[in-house]
Amino acid sequence: GIQVEQSPPDLILQEGANSTLRCNFSDSVNNLQWFHQNPWGQLINLFYIPSGTKQNGRLSATTVATERYSLLYISSSQTTDSGVYFCAVETLGGGTSYGKLTFGQGTILTVHP
Amino acid sequence: DVKVTQSSRYLVKRTGEKVFLECVQDMDHENMFWYRQDPGLGLRLIYFSYDVKMKEKGDIPEGYSVSREKKERFSLILESASTNQTSMYLCASSSEGRARNSPLHFGNGTRLTVT
Repeated sequence: GIQVEQSPPDLILQEGANSTLRCNFSDSVNNLQWFHQNPWGQLINLFYIPSGTKQNGRLSATTVATERYSLLYISSSQTTDSGVYFCAVETLGGGTSYGKLTFGQGTILTVHP
Repeated sequence: DVKVTQSSRYLVKRTGEKVFLECVQDMDHENMFWYRQDPGLGLRLIYFSYDVKMKEKGDIPEGYSVSREKKERFSLILESASTNQTSMYLCASSSEGRARNSPLHFGNGTRLTVT
């Protein structure tokens, strides 16, 4: 099956710093999403971004599908950004996938005040 | 906003018990999913459903079954709970059936401990 690799595995920042998280995937995808899991375990969908660039406040994401990677940018980080960031993908092909996502291992982000 | 509700936040069961985990979504979504999350293993798909009474196995279906009698409700069943099924269970839903291009929305999770 498809492999999803996220880097770095851990990231520690001071409040106000910027960061870039990376997601590499091993096959062509038709569906790529970024999620944030807060310290209480809740998974929040940040972006649906199989290609192109999107922005939502201090967060933005870019997916270069032809080169099989996606980047999540966090600017002016805040302590509430702490948690685990997951990239998840679904491969092209097959008529019965129904949005079935394969998750990467995640990047653990800690933002200190 | 989409709301996916899991019936229990924490659950403790004994080995051999039959366990039901319930999930309800309020957005008329066609697709519903059950994942489990374990340290070092990430999120793994157990089962999913793309319509009422329809289900498909995910990556780790062994020891589990599911039921979807109504569109809004998707139940995960542990036929005979074992200690290796101690985990965080996450339910999720998305819309547009076969379209494959809908954001996935998760419930708060159920932390199940099997003793």
